[in-house]
This record gives sequence, structure tokens and C-alpha cells, in this order.
Amino acid sequence: KQEVTQIPAALSVPEGENLVLNCSFTDSAIYNLQWFRQDPGKGLTSLLLIQSSQREQTSGRLNASLDKSSGRSTLYIAASQPGDSATYLCAVKRDGNNRLAFGKGNQVVVIP
Amino acid sequence: DARVTQTPRHKVTEMGQEVTMRCQPILGHNTVFWYRQTMMQGLELLAYFRNRAPLDDSGMPKDRFSAEMPDATLATLKIQPSEPRDSAVYFCASGLVRDGQTNLNTEAFFGQGTRLTVV
Repeated sequence: KQEVTQIPAALSVPEGENLVLNCSFTDSAIYNLQWFRQDPGKGLTSLLLIQSSQREQTSGRLNASLDKSSGRSTLYIAASQPGDSATYLCAVKRDGNNRLAFGKGNQVVVIP
Repeated sequence: DARVTQTPRHKVTEMGQEVTMRCQPILGHNTVFWYRQTMMQGLELLAYFRNRAPLDDSGMPKDRFSAEMPDATLATLKIQPSEPRDSAVYFCASGLVRDGQTNLNTEAFFGQGTRLTVV
């Protein structure tokens, strides 16, 4: 069974600092990995999706890397802003099975 | 703007009552997922459908939960009878799998969720 772990569970950073969020998974036979953002009381918004053949994806201030062999992904958020405060969830998908296995999230607070 | 719509957004009910949650997937999507989110367990898949047929409902307690797709524009998740341990946020997500393929061709798009409280 795929286990997805996100460390740290919670962190606070001052505005302007770069954020580094880590996700690890136990089964490297993944099809893709997706990072989501969740605001309190809201649904999940997809941020980045990395296919298993890719090493990274970028969108604006966000960059996600994938090292499939070591079972790790890292989400970088450059020059953090108070509006980046949210929970960030990592989810992995196996080939041929559309079930997403989620981590429990990194809860981020950016202090103005 | 295409989105997954879930109703109700909030539901408070007494133990033993029936609860029905509804989901309208994005038009044209043929795959629908139901996830449950709790503080302890995080997000867990309950069931998923493709072309209205259940493909995987192994995450769902069969004695009290049931999931259906009466038509392509509506998915339902029913709990009968409800229990306090069912209190959680229930998310619906939809995506597209093209004919002859097994993997999603799109991302999974999530609804806003139904926050269920059973007292």
C-alpha cells in the first residue's frame, strides 16, 4: 500500500522567505504526482502535476521537483506572501489505477 | 467556468438519520471520485466510477454507505444510518479517461466538499 508522508506537518515563515515543502512516498511505481492547495473550509486546488517521466514542473513562483527513484518530491514557493498561507497536499497515482494516495499536508503560515 | 458542484455544503444531522450528498461533475468528465477527509486519516478514497459504473468502492463501509450515479450529471453518496464517526468533509472529484485508456487524461478536479457533522 502506498504511504505518503509530508514533513513538516506545519511551519511558519516570515514574508519574503522561500518555502520548501517535502513529500515522500514508499512505492516508486507512480504514474504522476500532484500538489494541491487547500484553504480552510475549502476544496482542493491543483497547483502542479508532474508525470513520472518528468523531473520538475514550474508555475510562476512555484516549482515542484520529482525524484522517483528515491520516492521524493519537493515543492518550492519563492518569495512567500501572506496569501500563500494554506495547507499544501501531495498526492501520488499509480499507473492503471486512478486512486490518489494523499499525504496529510503541510500547513503553512506566512507572517507579514 | 467549469467546476465540480457539491450539495449541501454543510449538513448537521442526528445519529441514525439518513444523509445524502450530491455531486455534479464537470460536463464531459466520465470519472467521478468520492473522498473523505478527517484530521486523523487525511484524505481517503471511498469510491470511484467510470461511465457511471463503480470501479472501486473498497474504501467504503458497505453496511451503511452506498454510492450511485443515476445519470452522467449526478453522483450521490448516501449514509444510512449515520454515526458520529462519519463526521468528516466529503469531497467529490471528476476527471476524464478516454476510451481504450486506463489513466486519467486530465487532472482530478475537486468540489468544495460537504462538511458533515453527526451528533
